[in-house]
Amino acid sequence: GAVVSQHPSWVICKSGTSVKIECRSLDFQATTMFWYRQFPKQSLMLMATSNEGSKATYEQGVEKDKFLINHASLTLSTLTVTSAHPEDSSFYICSARDGAERMGHNEQFFGPGTRLTVL
Amino acid sequence: AQSVSQHNHHVILSEAASLELGCNYSYGGTVNLFWYVQYPGQHLQLLLKYFSGDPLVKGIKGFEAEFIKSKFSFNLRKPSVQWSDTAEYFCAVNARNTDKLIFGTGTRLQVFP
Repeated sequence: GAVVSQHPSWVICKSGTSVKIECRSLDFQATTMFWYRQFPKQSLMLMATSNEGSKATYEQGVEKDKFLINHASLTLSTLTVTSAHPEDSSFYICSARDGAERMGHNEQFFGPGTRLTVL
Repeated sequence: AQSVSQHNHHVILSEAASLELGCNYSYGGTVNLFWYVQYPGQHLQLLLKYFSGDPLVKGIKGFEAEFIKSKFSFNLRKPSVQWSDTAEYFCAVNARNTDKLIFGTGTRLQVFP
């Protein structure tokens, strides 16, 4: 099956610093990638939809200047948490949709997640 | 707005017991339905999905789910659980004209030997 990787798997940073998380589709081209946030014992909340070569679409309530998303190639999307604060500590998960499939008729393949802890 | 509700937050079973996890969604149009599983320390994996056709869908590891359109439900079932089924289970929905997945709150399943 399709594989999605994330790097790093965990990161600890000081408050005020920025952290970049990478999401890669390893064996398929992903025209669309998604970024989710998962709080402890809660569900996944979609943060933004990332389309290759265009600006990301953010969900309501998600600050686009705080969570910068770049989808520069068909296999890589990055999420940068700028000026991170303790309340940004969470589990960030990306997923990717195979670009060969038509929209709405396919599944998303999920990465293993990145645990961010902001001190 | 679309929403997904999973009524069972935490389920505890003994091995060989039967399992049914509820999932209901709210959306008036055509939807795709999914069940994902997250084993401890691992990433989300697809258990099964429904796009169209037979409303009884069979997935991996002996799981199945039935789409009942009139009830807006997509309950997950397994006739005999194993200790290795201990995990978090998420129901998810996307409208047919979009790729945005809406997840339920998840059900934590614990199976004791």
